[in-house]
Amino acid sequence: DIQMTQSPSSLSASVGDRVTITCRASQSISRNLNWYQQRPGKAPKVLIYGASTLESGVPSRFSGSGSGTDFTLTISSLQPEDFVTYYCQQSYSIPHSFGRGTKLEIK
Amino acid sequence: EVQLVESGGVLVQPGGSLTLSCAASGFTFSSYWMTWVRQVPGEGLEWVANIKEDGSEKYYVDSVRGRFTISRDNAKNSLFLQMNSLRAEDTAVYYCARETERSGYFYFFDYWGQGTLVTVSS
Repeated sequence: DIQMTQSPSSLSASVGDRVTITCRASQSISRNLNWYQQRPGKAPKVLIYGASTLESGVPSRFSGSGSGTDFTLTISSLQPEDFVTYYCQQSYSIPHSFGRGTKLEIK
Repeated sequence: EVQLVESGGVLVQPGGSLTLSCAASGFTFSSYWMTWVRQVPGEGLEWVANIKEDGSEKYYVDSVRGRFTISRDNAKNSLFLQMNSLRAEDTAVYYCARETERSGYFYFFDYWGQGTLVTVSS
């Protein structure tokens, strides 16, 4: 099974900051990497698929990059509603494993 | 409007059994792979099982293989997860999710239900 290592597990930042979350796969997954945002008590919502394609309706301050084993999610200018939890997920091979999540906190 | 509504989550004793359901509407259910994902309260997401559009292929995470069975009824637009030999570590919110494809190569979950809580405890 492919293991997804996400870092950091938590991140303190301020509104307007630029932040980057990283995700590393235990083996190459090409560009089969998705990013989700989860608000407390809610189901996750996809932000980015295929490592870098923004899902329809997702603000352009979110961007993704990477291929192979190393990936990043960048939020260019944090908004108050962005201080929630983010997960990466690989869809290269079953089981389609998730990272352990990154919780964004207000500094 | 696409909707996924899970039901069936309850308190069950270790070793017990339970079947979760997911009612789908607003899309052609028989055209999509469907997946169960679970989340221990306060923790991360875990992919549990998925099933092909026609039910002919099913896959499981190692921790549930042999105990859980995923199935679907396309005539009733419903997805199921039969859970046997339940353990305390199966306690979680269980989500059903629709898997969609883009560019013939990328797969992700575009719609999720609200989740149903399964608690395994004596």
